[in-house]
Amino acid sequence: SQQGEEDPQALSIQEGENATMNCSYKTSINNLQWYRQNSGRGLVHLILIRSNEREKHSGRLRVTLDTSKKSSSLLITASRAADTASYFCATDGQPQNAGGTSYGKLTFGQGTILTVHP
Amino acid sequence: DGGITQSPKYLFRKEGQNVTLSCEQNLNHDAMYWYRQDPGQGLRLIYYSQIVNDFQKGDIAEGYSVSREKKESFPLTVTSAQKNPTAFYLCASSKLGHLFGGYTFGSGTRLTVV
Repeated sequence: SQQGEEDPQALSIQEGENATMNCSYKTSINNLQWYRQNSGRGLVHLILIRSNEREKHSGRLRVTLDTSKKSSSLLITASRAADTASYFCATDGQPQNAGGTSYGKLTFGQGTILTVHP
Repeated sequence: DGGITQSPKYLFRKEGQNVTLSCEQNLNHDAMYWYRQDPGQGLRLIYYSQIVNDFQKGDIAEGYSVSREKKESFPLTVTSAQKNPTAFYLCASSKLGHLFGGYTFGSGTRLTVV
């Protein structure tokens, strides 16, 4: 079943602008991740945020997580044409093991197609 | 360099044929996964394995089979029972437990029924 729902489905911006993508999910999670996929390629892991974290940064990426609203957002600042890709959120929602750690099974959303025009 | 390799990149299957997609990783990851991606869609889990000689069905396992005889390898067989196999297949691997930090994906196999 698809847990993550991304919004918008497609986003078109100019180079230098910021891009914001949102992800909503239905059940409680251990962590949430964002991945990038260039056309016809495999996915690349961008960033992971744990359920007890509210915000995380990595270079030009900023991820927020609101567990009360069951939502996350990915912000790409100062976008470049090379950022053109599909972006997916993925949730790790399996019950944790006795040690309180993840089993690693992820559920992916439908993705947001980002186009950055030069 | 450590990584995960899928082969072949493109595969054509005739009606009624079984085909096997290869996935090999040298990252020493415990877990491996197979996902299917249809055009414009997200990823759907076919099978996953957390340890050698053990695997579990995902959301769309019907018409597929897997084996995990070695930690490094997790081949996927698309059987003739899979009625709509044309798709992009992605293999991934990860550590587990407190070391889990996300998936490493292969570059994918595009399967087409001819």
